[in-house]
Amino acid sequence: AQKVTQAQTEISVVEKEDVTLDCVYETRDTTYYLFWYKQPPSGELVFLIRRNSFDEQNEISGRYSWNFQKSTSSFNFTITASQVVDSAVYFCAPGTALIFGKGTTLSVSS
Amino acid sequence: EAEVAQSPRYKITEKSQAVAFWCDPISGHATLYWYRQILGQGPELLVQFQDESVVDDSQLPKDRFSAERLKGVDSTLKIQPAELGDSAMYLCASSGVGTVGGYTFGSGTRLTVV
Repeated sequence: AQKVTQAQTEISVVEKEDVTLDCVYETRDTTYYLFWYKQPPSGELVFLIRRNSFDEQNEISGRYSWNFQKSTSSFNFTITASQVVDSAVYFCAPGTALIFGKGTTLSVSS
Repeated sequence: EAEVAQSPRYKITEKSQAVAFWCDPISGHATLYWYRQILGQGPELLVQFQDESVVDDSQLPKDRFSAERLKGVDSTLKIQPAELGDSAMYLCASSGVGTVGGYTFGSGTRLTVV
């Protein structure tokens, strides 16, 4: 069985602040994928990143970066210089069939 | 850019009525998923198809929910009879061999049962 824990229910920051969203997962699979999705107020789920479990290199994409540590089963997501448009619910999801937690609601104010 | 199509976008129905949602995945995607998302929670997997076969429907309330994907392309999710607690967003997603990115989600159907 797979499980994900996003301990931060809500985070509020002011524009241009950096913010890190935590994700801890459980899986019995030896190889697996990890995903991050964004759900803005409009409701659609927007794919952000997919990471293979055997690739522990950190990844940076523009203002977004991800830190994957298999030893601690964590896959954290950092937004640098946050913007109001980053306001959304963010979901971390492990597995082949995506298993979602409750997500973290990020509010960025101007 | 290819999209997963869902209809209707919104649906209001009275409890005890039947309701159906439709999903057309990205062309060539063999795997199709239906999720239910209750307000304030993450999406919950209801059923997974591989082509026309059900791979996982362990979380599907089979006394009132049914799902089919007869030709391995588009899919229909049905609720009969609808209950107040079924009010939620119903999301469809698809993925295929060689999908570089993640699973692609449709815009969803927001169901309100009154």
